[in-house]
Amino acid sequence: DTGVSQDPRHKITKRGQNVTFRCDPISEHNRLYWYRQTLGQGPEFLTYFQNEAQLEKSRLLSDRFSAERPKGSFSTLEIQRTEQGDSAMYLCASGSSYNSPLHFGNGTRLTVT
Amino acid sequence: GENVEQHPSTLSVQEGDSAVIKCTYSDSASNYFPWYKQELGKRPQLIIDIRSNVGEKKDQRIAVTLNKTAKHFSLHITETQPEDSAVYFCAASNQGAQKLVFGQGTRLTINP
Repeated sequence: DTGVSQDPRHKITKRGQNVTFRCDPISEHNRLYWYRQTLGQGPEFLTYFQNEAQLEKSRLLSDRFSAERPKGSFSTLEIQRTEQGDSAMYLCASGSSYNSPLHFGNGTRLTVT
Repeated sequence: GENVEQHPSTLSVQEGDSAVIKCTYSDSASNYFPWYKQELGKRPQLIIDIRSNVGEKKDQRIAVTLNKTAKHFSLHITETQPEDSAVYFCAASNQGAQKLVFGQGTRLTINP
């Protein structure tokens, strides 16, 4: 399968714990995006990388969230001191260039108890 | 920044009839408009997209129209089938923002 892969698929954590998610984009794609989706809503932009450079971060993203893409390939999204409001589906997407289709992974569903 | 409004939020049609979902956007610089289909528990999947240099694009039973002056675009599904039941999202982006901004989604139900 050469699509976007995300790991883990599901994560249950207790409030206050840190969690880290991984995304492996389609290999030739230099653009990588993180989105968050809650039930009944459209995906909400979190942050975006072109190669290893993080070019934009949503103002909605608190300082507890950090993302990296150290070698311009896979990316990680870390949430520190999780809160119940962080419970959502975290989607990763990749694309080859501006205005090229974005391909989404299956997402990581986070539940904070 | 860009804002995308989508309606209706739910749509129910009889199998074989047509379905239309509409979106409006706020940023006149937006020039790329994809539509995604998301089945329950699955990833959003691109079904069709249109760029601002064309007014209409068709792929079998699916078509998208774009009115740049009015800043709205629509998804048309003809001869609907039960497997068309899903949530559909529109989105918009531009070269400045370089990210997709999504609408709130439309839950389409095809009744047999």
